[in-house]
Amino acid sequence: QSVLTQPPSASGTPGQKVTISCSGSSSNIGSNTVHWYQQLPGTAPKLLIYDNNQRPSGVPDRFSGSKSGTSASLAISGLQSDDEAVYYCAAWDDSLNGLFGGGTQLTVL
Amino acid sequence: EVQLVQSGAEVKKPGESLKISCEAFGYSFSSHWIGWVRQMPGKGLEWVGVLHPGDSATRYSPSFQGQVTISGDTSINTAYLLWRSLKASDTAIYYCARASTITTFNTWGQGTLVSVSS
Repeated sequence: QSVLTQPPSASGTPGQKVTISCSGSSSNIGSNTVHWYQQLPGTAPKLLIYDNNQRPSGVPDRFSGSKSGTSASLAISGLQSDDEAVYYCAAWDDSLNGLFGGGTQLTVL
Repeated sequence: EVQLVQSGAEVKKPGESLKISCEAFGYSFSSHWIGWVRQMPGKGLEWVGVLHPGDSATRYSPSFQGQVTISGDTSINTAYLLWRSLKASDTAIYYCARASTITTFNTWGQGTLVSVSS
């Protein structure tokens, strides 16, 4: 069981907005920034959001991140079929190691 | 272009040793943390540890401390993940990734499949 808790699944229809949550504690999300990764089937993960709400170049502005206290969220608006992937949150922990959430499988219906 | 190229798939027996590699291109290898991430079959991502090649500093997840060793060779811009005695439970895909900060993996290798079976 991961220290960062994500729902195992989420779904939406094309064009909808979907939000994925990530819950941690004061030693990780509460005191460090949160990052989000997208893993398409059969591929390596890709950095989607860093430092809570920053997008690397090339990531569409349909993807956005936020953080409040010991929780964070990834929002995907204008859902598209090729957004179907597993999404992971990640954060540093003050015990001096990195953490990933368990991952959320997003299905586009 | 920043790129990480990992060594090929490995098939090993329990108790054997193994070192897999990750060669970096297109940036100053010594200046950035580089890490390893495990993905067991059908499972999520697990943070193994990171190395700063410039001063050989390392950080390991408690789950992997003492089980693997992360090292690097700045003369050939290559990071390594070493096992001294493999277990069947080490079967997984291992990704290397460059970190823009110690926690932000912004470039990933293609992954190395390690299969351990008797």
